[in-house]
Amino acid sequence: EVQLQQSGPELVKPGASMKISCKASGYSFTGYTMNWVKQSHGKNLEWIGLINPYNGGTSYNQKFKGKATLTVDKSSSTAYMELLSLTSEDSAVYYCARNYVNYFDYWGQGTTLTVSS
Amino acid sequence: DIQMTQSPASLSVSVGETVTITCRASENIYSNLAWYQQKQGKSPQLLVYAATNLADGVPSRFSGSGSGTQYSLKINSLQSEDFGSYYCQHFWGTPFTFGSGTKLEIK
Repeated sequence: EVQLQQSGPELVKPGASMKISCKASGYSFTGYTMNWVKQSHGKNLEWIGLINPYNGGTSYNQKFKGKATLTVDKSSSTAYMELLSLTSEDSAVYYCARNYVNYFDYWGQGTTLTVSS
Repeated sequence: DIQMTQSPASLSVSVGETVTITCRASENIYSNLAWYQQKQGKSPQLLVYAATNLADGVPSRFSGSGSGTQYSLKINSLQSEDFGSYYCQHFWGTPFTFGSGTKLEIK
């Protein structure tokens, strides 16, 4: 069974950085790109970017360049997204999602990030 | 970047009714379109891919159609479990933009 297990909720201070993890199981990790999606206020979905676990290649939404950094650890089948210089605008739920051809077939459960002093 | 314009933003409907949600792309996306359903507090779930193909386990009352820049998701005979939010997403090059969503509520 394919599963994407994300790390737990985070409360961080403005200006800090943090990293969310997404542990994949039930499939060949290097065979599918991993995407990250932001959902603010329970509404709009925004595609942040993707990473190819096979070779580490990335593609970012221009809006999130400099804000998000995507990496993987193939040895543990885990994808990571680091968010930098956090502000209240970064408070949201973040999802990882597996990309199969032209759709996202599996999603993580979401990680809630709250940025507050 | 390709923009996805989704409508309506919300719908108030009764069980048993039929609804249609539409997405218009800012350029031809050659049927590289997916539809997702999201329940409150849950992750989005795939309903339709490649504009017209139902994902595994999706009831046949759901159907997708369209081509070029215009796409639709139709739900026949709405059931109580169909209420929630719906999003389209294109896959014709990055960024893989989502529509702004349609919230389906019980009348």
